[in-house]
Amino acid sequence: NAGVMQNPRHLVRRRGQEARLRCSPMKGHSHVYWYRQLPEEGLKFMVYLQKENIIDESGMPKERFSAEFPKEGPSILRIQQVVRGDSAAYFCASSQTSGSWEQYFGPGTRLTVT
Amino acid sequence: AQTVTQSQPEMSVQEAETVTLSCTYDTSESDYYLFWYKQPPSRQMILVIRQEAYKQQNATENRFSVNFQKAAKSFSLKISDSQLGDAAMYFCAYRVNSGYALNFGKGTSLLVTP
Repeated sequence: NAGVMQNPRHLVRRRGQEARLRCSPMKGHSHVYWYRQLPEEGLKFMVYLQKENIIDESGMPKERFSAEFPKEGPSILRIQQVVRGDSAAYFCASSQTSGSWEQYFGPGTRLTVT
Repeated sequence: AQTVTQSQPEMSVQEAETVTLSCTYDTSESDYYLFWYKQPPSRQMILVIRQEAYKQQNATENRFSVNFQKAAKSFSLKISDSQLGDAAMYFCAYRVNSGYALNFGKGTSLLVTP
């Protein structure tokens, strides 16, 4: 059973470009969570999605960030017009149900904005 | 708001010795989960151990055990017979039972010396 897949593992973008981060949850999991890890910090919750629905985006910056989890295909975290402060590791996690105690994490995408 | 505090940015232990990592948390909830995650240099987040707040018995997983003091809101991790492969960042995390977002501390970097 493949784990949570994230791609790309590393992404370099220039200021003003768009970044698209992809996450494929574990097989049978329909709940996806995105977290951001800034340098020297713990992970911070960004958004929680179920198929075709955003359940909670309270941790998402109000501008430039968006997320989706379509009926088919991976979940996408999109950052428009990236700035240096967006440089971080972005982790996706998935669970079978929202009440599952365990969230299975992917390997993360390290975004570097130059 | 729930906060998780790890007061030790770095810890060092000799191989085969025992080390304890500290974690305190602040919450007004009574039903929650506590977790310790390991993040090796690969950055993959690996669940080490979890504790349900309603359980008085401390969780144990092989060489890893916790000291859960609910009244003091303390949740320390003890690693016995430390191995070189235990070297990593360790994050304490909290999640309210009715919720889904994990709240992480800033982490403790554990160095294991031969």
